Amino acid sequence: GENVEQHPSTLSVQEGDSAVIKCTYSDSASNYFPWYKQELGKRPQLIIDIRSNVGEKKDQRIAVTLNKTAKHFSLHITETQPEDSAVYFCAATPGSARQLTFGSGTQLTVLP
Amino acid sequence: DVKVTQSSRYLVKRTGEKVFLECVQDMDHENMFWYRQDPGLGLRLIYFSYDVKMKEKGDIPEGYSVSREKKERFSLILESASTNQTSMYLCATSTGAYGYTFGSGTRLTVV
Repeated sequence: GENVEQHPSTLSVQEGDSAVIKCTYSDSASNYFPWYKQELGKRPQLIIDIRSNVGEKKDQRIAVTLNKTAKHFSLHITETQPEDSAVYFCAATPGSARQLTFGSGTQLTVLP
Repeated sequence: DVKVTQSSRYLVKRTGEKVFLECVQDMDHENMFWYRQDPGLGLRLIYFSYDVKMKEKGDIPEGYSVSREKKERFSLILESASTNQTSMYLCATSTGAYGYTFGSGTRLTVV
């Protein structure tokens, strides 16, 4: 089955700086890669996703890049703000499957 | 908005008890999932279901079972609770792998 590794496990940045979280996956058939944000005490929520026919996708301060050859994808957050502080999870799934395999999570702390 | 409701936010049970965690969705999603969340381990899939009375094992099914008698309800059962099942349990629904919606979670403590 699919295996997703996520790094780093914790990340602290100064407000206004950029943050990058990286994930690798094992199943070359995977073609959907979402990112979830979980604020303290709340449920995970989808913030951005990318499909394998696209190399990069942006949504305001958030972007995701995908390198299918290397089997890795990354989340980029620019101009970080205190409300970006949360746990971020990457995930992957092959098109034939309906379930997501998640990474281990990254605790992002944005320092004022 | 899809609503996914987990019956309990916090639960404390004794070792050896049979525990039921309930998840109910108010949309017509065919897929339902149970994950457990532990620090440093992320979200690990316990069981999932694509249809009524149908279930599939996930990555860590040992010590758990599930029931899906109606499309909107997916129950996770701990047959004999143990302390290593102390965790946050998250239910999710979807119409495919795309667009998971999570419940608020049940934090279970087994003493």
